[in-house]
Amino acid sequence: KQEVTQIPAALSVPEGENLVLNCSFTDSAIYNLQWFRQDPGKGLTSLLLIQSSQREQTSGRLNASLDKSSGRSTLYIAASQPGDSATYLCAVNLEDTGNQFYFGTGTSLTVIP
Amino acid sequence: NAGVTQTPKFQVLKTGQSMTLQCAQDMNHEYMSWYRQDPGMGLRLIHYSVGAGITDQGEVPNGYNVSRSTTEDFPLRLLSAAPSQTSVYFCASQKAGAANYGYTFGSGTRLTVV
Repeated sequence: KQEVTQIPAALSVPEGENLVLNCSFTDSAIYNLQWFRQDPGKGLTSLLLIQSSQREQTSGRLNASLDKSSGRSTLYIAASQPGDSATYLCAVNLEDTGNQFYFGTGTSLTVIP
Repeated sequence: NAGVTQTPKFQVLKTGQSMTLQCAQDMNHEYMSWYRQDPGMGLRLIHYSVGAGITDQGEVPNGYNVSRSTTEDFPLRLLSAAPSQTSVYFCASQKAGAANYGYTFGSGTRLTVV
């Protein structure tokens, strides 16, 4: 069974800092990996999708990298803002499980003005 | 607006009651899934479907039934609610061809069983 771990569980940074969120997974046979944002009491918003053949994806101030062989992904947020405060979840889609995604428990980010 | 629509947003049930959580998508996605989210446990897959007429069990299927009579709809039925089913439920859809597409999520249903 795929295990997905996110470290740290919580992170607090001052506004303007660059930061890195980590995601590790145990089975490297993945189709893709997706990063989500979840605001309190809300649903999940997709941020970035990295296919297994890719090494990184960028969207605005966000950059996600993928190292399949080591089972790791990072989400880099540049010049953090208070509006970035949310929980960030990573999810991996395995090759042999159709469309089943395995989720980490998330990193709760607080950006202090 | 295109997307995944879940109803209701909130529900309180008594133990033993049954109910159906509704999920509809208008993106013509082949794949649909139901997850539950519990504190400290992340999202766990309940049931999923790869197309109309096809469903399968996920990680935590006990106590839940699903059907997929149309591409658009994927309802989740709780047959006899238990307090352990208190959770936030999310429906998600995905276009076939998994490597290139990710999930689109609904806004969730917060269920409390008393």
